[in-house]
Amino acid sequence: EIVLTQSPATLSLSPGERATLSCRASQSVSRYLAWYQQKPGQAPRLLIYDASNRATGIPARFSGSGSGTDFTLTISSLEPEDFAVYYCQQRTNLRLSFGGGTKVEIK
Amino acid sequence: QVQLVQSGAEVKKPGASVKVSCKASGYTFISYGISWVRQAPGQGLEWMGWISAYNGNSNYAQNLQGRVTMTTDTSTSTAYMELRSLRSDDTAVYYCARAVAYYQFDYWGQGTLVTVSS
Repeated sequence: EIVLTQSPATLSLSPGERATLSCRASQSVSRYLAWYQQKPGQAPRLLIYDASNRATGIPARFSGSGSGTDFTLTISSLEPEDFAVYYCQQRTNLRLSFGGGTKVEIK
Repeated sequence: QVQLVQSGAEVKKPGASVKVSCKASGYTFISYGISWVRQAPGQGLEWMGWISAYNGNSNYAQNLQGRVTMTTDTSTSTAYMELRSLRSDDTAVYYCARAVAYYQFDYWGQGTLVTVSS
């Protein structure tokens, strides 16, 4: 089973700052990597799929990069509504898994 | 608009079974798969499995094999997830999600809280 390790666990930033979230896979997942945002009491929301493609309606300040085992989600300038938990997710051989999450909190 | 509406909260005793429903609308049901994801209180997301609404093919997470069954009813555009032999650590919010290209979950249900307690 592929393990996804997200870092840092918590990121404390101010609105307007740049956020850089990391997701590392225990073995290559090619580009089958997605990112989700989850706010308290809500279902997750798809942000990025296939490592770098923004989902429908996702603002351009969200971008994804990487391939193989190392991936990054970047939020170029944090808006108040961006403070949430972010999860990466992979698909390999029809088995899916999520990372443990990174909480982006207001500093 | 695409909607996934799940059944209501459940309280079950250890050893019992639970069946959660997920009614889809706003799109052609058989054109997409449905995945189920759960989230224990204060914890992260756990993928449980996937089912094709087209032909009923399914894949389950290894740790749930033998305890979980996913089905669909195309006549009502509804997906179901049944979990058996419930334990206290099955207490979680259970989500259904529409699956694009197997793993991209672009629409989610509102979640169903399943509480397992004696």
